[in-house]
Amino acid sequence: DAMVIQNPRYQVTQFGKPVTLSCSQTLNHNVMYWYQQKSSQAPKLLFHYYDKDFNNEADTPDNFQSRRPNTSFCFLDIRSPGLGDAAMYLCATSRVQGYEQYFGPGTRLTVT
Amino acid sequence: DAKTTQPPSMDCAEGRAANLPCNHSTISGNEYVYWYRQIHSQGPQYIIHGLKNNETNEMASLIITEDRKSSTLILPHATLRDTAVYYCIVRGYNQGGKLIFGQGTELSVKP
Repeated sequence: DAMVIQNPRYQVTQFGKPVTLSCSQTLNHNVMYWYQQKSSQAPKLLFHYYDKDFNNEADTPDNFQSRRPNTSFCFLDIRSPGLGDAAMYLCATSRVQGYEQYFGPGTRLTVT
Repeated sequence: DAKTTQPPSMDCAEGRAANLPCNHSTISGNEYVYWYRQIHSQGPQYIIHGLKNNETNEMASLIITEDRKSSTLILPHATLRDTAVYYCIVRGYNQGGKLIFGQGTELSVKP
C-alpha cells in the first residue's frame, strides 16, 4: 500500500554529472514537496508544487530544479551535483497546503 | 527559523509512557502545533496536531497548555519501534504548507 514512492532509494552520481530523482504518489494529493536532509540535520524544504504552481524557497540553489508533469509524479533535477549535495532527498505530499504531509522513504544521494 | 525548543535527547523504558516536551512561546493565535517523527533512515511520519484543545489519536496524545506556549506529546506505552527523532513544529495554515523542522528530540526506548 505504498503511498509516496521514491526511486531509486540509493543513487550514486559523479561530481558535476546531472542526476534526476523521482517521486510518485497514489494519494491524488494536490501538493508535492521536496526536502533535503543532510547527515545529522533536520529536513529542509527546497520547493513545492501546488498543482502546477511551482514555489521555490528563497535559499534553494539554482542547481536544483523540479518538474511535475502530472498529479502523480514529481522530479528533482540536480544539474551539476557537488560534494555538498550529498544528502537524503525526501518527497512529501499533502491534500492541500497546510494539511499534514506524507513522506516517502527518501533517496540517499552520494556524490563521488 | 524554527519556532520551537525541544530537549535534544530522552530515554524511556519500554512499556512506560514517553512524555516529550516542546516549548513554543512565540506561537501566534492561528498557528497549530504539529508533531512528526523520523525513524532512522526513513522519511518523517505525521503523528498528530492541535490548535488549543488536547488531541488524541491511535498513535499519541497531544497536551497543549492553556496559554499555548508549550505542549507535550505523550506515547502512552512506548515500544522499541518508537525509537526515533520527534519533531515539534509550529505552523499556520496560511504559510504555504511549509514545515520548518528544528533539531527535534531523539527518543531512545530501552528494554
